[in-house]
Amino acid sequence: NAGVTQTPKFQVLKTGQSMTLQCAQDMNHEYMSWYRQDPGMGLRLIHYSVGAGITDQGEVPNGYNVSRSTTEDFPLRLLSAAPSQTSVYFCASRSGGKGYEQYFGPGTRLTVT
Amino acid sequence: AQRVTQPEKLLSVFKGAPVELKCNYSYSGSPELFWYVQYSRQRLQLLLRHISRESIKGFTADLNKGETSFHLKKPFAQEEDSAMYYCALTTGNQFYFGTGTSLTVIP
Repeated sequence: NAGVTQTPKFQVLKTGQSMTLQCAQDMNHEYMSWYRQDPGMGLRLIHYSVGAGITDQGEVPNGYNVSRSTTEDFPLRLLSAAPSQTSVYFCASRSGGKGYEQYFGPGTRLTVT
Repeated sequence: AQRVTQPEKLLSVFKGAPVELKCNYSYSGSPELFWYVQYSRQRLQLLLRHISRESIKGFTADLNKGETSFHLKKPFAQEEDSAMYYCALTTGNQFYFGTGTSLTVIP
C-alpha cells in the first residue's frame, strides 16, 4: 500500500494563478481531509469529505475548492492564488468513526509570490 | 466552539528527565482526543489516542474531563523524542489541532 500520496511536493505560484494539489489514498478510507500548516497556527482544516460525492467546509475554506468523485482521490483547487496561501498542505484519510487514526500524506510546500 | 490549546510552543528537557506536554480542550460533547507527532522530515503520524489507553514509545496521556486536559507524559526523555507534537480533538467529522509543541531533548 502506498498509503496517502500527494503531488507535487513543492510548487511556486504567482499571485492570481490557479492550480490543483493532488491527493490519493489506496486504503479505501471514507474520510479525507485537507489541512494547511502554518508556523504558530498548527494544522487547520480547509475542507473534508465523508465519502464520494460529499464534501464540506472546515475552518479556513476561503480561496479553495474540493471535489470527491471517487473514494481514492480528493484534489484541492486554488482558484486565484494569494500570498496568504503560502503554506504546507497536508492531505489525510481515515476510516469512519471518531476513534479512527488519520493517515497523512507527505505534504506539499506551496509558495505564492 | 471546539478548541485545543497547547500553551508551550517550545520545550527543552535533558535526556533522562521527565517530560510533560500540555494540552487543554474545550468541547461540549464527549471528546475523542489524540496526540500526533511529526519527526524531522517525516509525515505526521498518530502517537496515541485516549480511547485506547495505551502507552506508545513510553508516552502516556490521561484524559481529565474535570480539568479538560489531555497532557502527554514520559518519565525519561530520549533524544529520539525530539519532534513536533500536536494534540487533536475530533467531533466525528472534523479534527481540531492545537498549535503544536516543539520538543527538544538535550543530550
